[in-house]
Amino acid sequence: DIQMTQSPSSLSASVGDRVTITCRASQGISNYLAWYQQKPGKVPKLLIYAASTLQSGVPSRFSGSGSGTDFTLTINSLQPEDVATYYCHKYNSAPLTFGGGTKVEIK
Amino acid sequence: QVQLVQSGAEVKQPGASVKVSCKASGYTFTSYGFSWVRQAPGQGLEWVGWISTYNGDTNYAQKLQGRVTMTTDTSTSTAYMELRSLRSDDTAVYYCARDPPGDPPDYWGQGTLVTVSS
Repeated sequence: DIQMTQSPSSLSASVGDRVTITCRASQGISNYLAWYQQKPGKVPKLLIYAASTLQSGVPSRFSGSGSGTDFTLTINSLQPEDVATYYCHKYNSAPLTFGGGTKVEIK
Repeated sequence: QVQLVQSGAEVKQPGASVKVSCKASGYTFTSYGFSWVRQAPGQGLEWVGWISTYNGDTNYAQKLQGRVTMTTDTSTSTAYMELRSLRSDDTAVYYCARDPPGDPPDYWGQGTLVTVSS
């Protein structure tokens, strides 16, 4: 099975900072990579799919890139409402897998 | 608008079974599959499995094979996930999510807490 490894597992940054989260697949998955945001006590929310396509309604400060095995989620100008855990998710074929998550906090 | 409404919280004893429902509205039910995802307390997201509403095809996480069954009822636009022989490590919030063909789950239910405890 393909494993998804996220890093870092947590980070603390200041409002306005640029934040980068990486996700690595143990085998190539083309661009079948999504990013979810989960705020404390809330349901996961789809941010990005196909590695770089922004879901409707998601602020443009979020962006994704990558293909094959290495992917990145970038938050340009971190906002207080971005405090959450972020998960990558590969969906090219079963078993579908999530990364371990990256908890983003405000410094 | 798309809505997925799940059944309420359950408390079960070890060895029992639980069946969680997910009623969909606001779209054509048979045009999308369903994924089920669970999240143990304080832990990350874990894929449980997937079902096609078109033909009933399923795909389950290997670790749950033999204990999990997913079904749908197109007459009521409802998806179901049954988990048998419950263990304490099955304690989690279980989410259903609409699964567009070729795309990741986009709309999620509110989650159902299943607690397994004696």
